[in-house]
Amino acid sequence: NAGVTQTPKFQVLKTGQSMTLQCAQDMNHEYMSWYRQDPGMGLRLIHYSVGAGITDQGEVPNGYNVSRSTTEDFPLRLLSAAPSQTSVYFCASSVTGYEQYFGPGTRLTVT
Amino acid sequence: TQLLEQSPQFLSIQEGENLTVYCNSSSVFSSLQWYRQEPGEGPVLLVTVVTGGEVKKLKRLTFQFGDARKDSSLHITAAQPGDTGLYLCAGESSGAGSYQLTFGKGTKLSVIP
Repeated sequence: NAGVTQTPKFQVLKTGQSMTLQCAQDMNHEYMSWYRQDPGMGLRLIHYSVGAGITDQGEVPNGYNVSRSTTEDFPLRLLSAAPSQTSVYFCASSVTGYEQYFGPGTRLTVT
Repeated sequence: TQLLEQSPQFLSIQEGENLTVYCNSSSVFSSLQWYRQEPGEGPVLLVTVVTGGEVKKLKRLTFQFGDARKDSSLHITAAQPGDTGLYLCAGESSGAGSYQLTFGKGTKLSVIP
């Protein structure tokens, strides 16, 4: 099993550009989540999904959209990138909704 | 908002020393997880503790959940350079159905050979 995979690993965007961070898991986990990790702020939940077709907002959802059309995939869309969205983004999946299996992360810089 | 405070923020020790890091809250958690994160990688789940007073051991790592389920500790015996990393605790809220974890900001451990 590949576990949780994320692409790209690194990305630089200009302010106002849009992009999609890809996340896939091959463990047949129902729960998937997106977090951002910033220095001094820890991991913060952006959006999560409890199954295909069901998503909900986390702690910091503004500026991000998600959809869950299949169990395997959970892409995160940045609609109009802002410098405040410079961060490391982690996708995670879970059987229980709590014990998280994290991907390797995407390091995003917005200039 | 539930908060998890981790201490110390940074810890630098010599190989072979013992250490304890703490995760504290004023809130009760249904369960608590510990993760280790190495630079450039995602966090990796080490253990989940569920019952108040529970102690779990993973080789040289000992995890304890407080009796009131508000705090936890991680003790490492005879630290090795491979133990270097960011240790994160995360709590599952005791309310049902929210599926949101609260993460602490982590303890950054450096073990010097």
